Amino acid sequence: GDSVTQMEGPVTLSEEAFLTINCTYTATGYPSLFWYVQYPGEGLQLLLKATKADDKGSNKGFEATYRKETTSFHLEKGSVQVSDSAVYFCALSDPNFNKFYFGSGTKLNVKP
Amino acid sequence: GAGVSQSPSNKVTEKGKDVELRCDPISGHTALYWYRQSLGQGLEFLIYFQGNSAPDKSGLPSDRFSAERTGGSVSTLTIQRTQQEDSAVYLCASSDRVGYGYTFGSGTRLTVV
Repeated sequence: GDSVTQMEGPVTLSEEAFLTINCTYTATGYPSLFWYVQYPGEGLQLLLKATKADDKGSNKGFEATYRKETTSFHLEKGSVQVSDSAVYFCALSDPNFNKFYFGSGTKLNVKP
Repeated sequence: GAGVSQSPSNKVTEKGKDVELRCDPISGHTALYWYRQSLGQGLEFLIYFQGNSAPDKSGLPSDRFSAERTGGSVSTLTIQRTQQEDSAVYLCASSDRVGYGYTFGSGTRLTVV
């Protein structure tokens, strides 16, 4: 069945460091891919999305490119800030968007 | 409302009691989803509503779990005879457009003691 695997955390970085959080997926058909972020004490928020191969989603300095050949959707940011500290979830949705499959989440700690 | 609203935000209940969790989606959102997030785990799909009907109940962990949605709006997730393993954060999400992604509520943290 469909599934998402993302790197285990926590990931600890210093401010202004480069961030990569790996995400790979298994899916039948042509899913859409998403990154969600959960800040401490808050609900999940959509960070970015890509709906077809080679699409790049971007938001708030974060980027992820839908790579069909490697079944990946790695999240990157060139220079992280303390305020980026949160848990990041990679997710895919089936072609009818009736169900999302989430990774287990990666906690990011950014130190000043 | 402006966002997805869930209540209560926290619930502590004794083992064996029934609980009801409420989700008020964004107005006009036709799709509503329930997930739960156990400590240290990812999100687990529970059930999905399109309007008032639930075409996919496959994620409900046992027959102690049920959910309904009325008027295409508010949804209630009921857990009967709660067990300690039911302790988790229960998240509700809604969406209106295919492919746009969900908007999540802040969740209900359920603790069964």
